[in-house]
Amino acid sequence: GESVGLHLPTLSVQEGDNSIINCAYSNSASDYFIWYKQESGKGPQFIIDIRSNMDKRQGQRVTVLLNKTVKHLSLQIAATQPGDSAVYFCAEMVAGGGNKLTFGTGTQLKVEL
Amino acid sequence: GAVVSQHPSRVICKSGTSVKIECRSLDFQATTMFWYRQFPKQSLMLMATSNEGSKATYEQGVEKDKFLINHASLTLSTLTVTSAHPEDSSFYICSAPSRQWNEQFFGPGTRLTVL
Repeated sequence: GESVGLHLPTLSVQEGDNSIINCAYSNSASDYFIWYKQESGKGPQFIIDIRSNMDKRQGQRVTVLLNKTVKHLSLQIAATQPGDSAVYFCAEMVAGGGNKLTFGTGTQLKVEL
Repeated sequence: GAVVSQHPSRVICKSGTSVKIECRSLDFQATTMFWYRQFPKQSLMLMATSNEGSKATYEQGVEKDKFLINHASLTLSTLTVTSAHPEDSSFYICSAPSRQWNEQFFGPGTRLTVL
């Protein structure tokens, strides 16, 4: 059942600083991307999304940047708060792919007081 | 936003028994639901697509006879782990897309522990 020896990449930031979480996606045909936040023992929670015809989208305290040339996605969190501590996943979807999501490996964000 | 529930939230069973996990869309109808498995410190891996009124579609490497999926109504999909073994211990999560084609809502997950 469980795989051993795997550790999520961890990003530690001070409270109040900005956080940048990166994601490399795999499918050049993907045209919709989402960032999810997952707290321990809970399901993923939607943060922000972006379509492939955009390169930047802003939400409340969060910004997603998309670079299709290098297949890279980033999530920026402004003024990081303790409540932002969680694992963050990017996910990609291909139009016409039956709404299937492919998740990235995830990053553990730790906010230090 | 729309709500997806799962039951039970956690279950412990003996090796060799079968366990059923329910996924419900509480305030919207879902002709499609998705089942994921997540091992500790790993990402979500799609297991199968549950289709209302027809057979589920399984991802490569997922045994359909071991993970039985039934989507009997527009608000309920069930995943049954048959003859569970300790290696099936994992966090099982379902999701359902909303009317907007690209927005999905996730359930809170079910922690399965097989002794």
